[in-house]
Amino acid sequence: NAGVTQTPKFQVLKTGQSMTLQCAQDMNHEYMSWYRQDPGMGLRLIHYSVGAGITDQGEVPNGYNVSRSTTEDFPLRLLSAAPSQTSVYFCASREDGLADEQFFGPGTRLTVL
Amino acid sequence: AQKVTQAQTEISVVEKEDVTLDCVYETRDTTYYLFWYKQPPSGELVFLIRRNSFDEQNEISGRYSWNFQKSTSSFNFTITASQVVDSAVYFCAPHSRLSFGAGTTVTVRA
Repeated sequence: NAGVTQTPKFQVLKTGQSMTLQCAQDMNHEYMSWYRQDPGMGLRLIHYSVGAGITDQGEVPNGYNVSRSTTEDFPLRLLSAAPSQTSVYFCASREDGLADEQFFGPGTRLTVL
Repeated sequence: AQKVTQAQTEISVVEKEDVTLDCVYETRDTTYYLFWYKQPPSGELVFLIRRNSFDEQNEISGRYSWNFQKSTSSFNFTITASQVVDSAVYFCAPHSRLSFGAGTTVTVRA
């Protein structure tokens, strides 16, 4: 199993550009989520999904869109990139039991100039 | 409101010392799990341990031990006889759809 994969690993954008961060998992997990990690802020939840066709907002959803058309994929779209979105982005997945831990992708380091 | 708090920002110890990390989870839920994750300097996030809200017994796994006190919502995690490879950021996280705690940076000096 590849686990959780994310592409790209690194990305530089100009302010106002849009892009999609890709996330895929091959563990048949229903639950997937996106976090951003900034220094001193821990991991803040952006959006999550409890299954195909179902998504919801986390703590910091503004400026990001998600969709979940399949169990495997959960892309994160930046609509109009801003310097404040410079961060490391992690995608995660897990089973949907209370005791289930999350499996994380390797992260995407995004810089917005 | 539900909230995870890791009051310790940084801890620095000498190898072989014990390290205890604190986490407080404020919630009205009566049944929940809390998790600890490790992020070494290489950047990946790795699951370490989990603990439920209805069991306050201490648990030990190798050099890791942890306990949970429901009265104070405190979930403490101890690394015994620390090693340089334990240097990392440690995150406390709830199962529910919340952000993680801010993390505690542990530095173990040789």
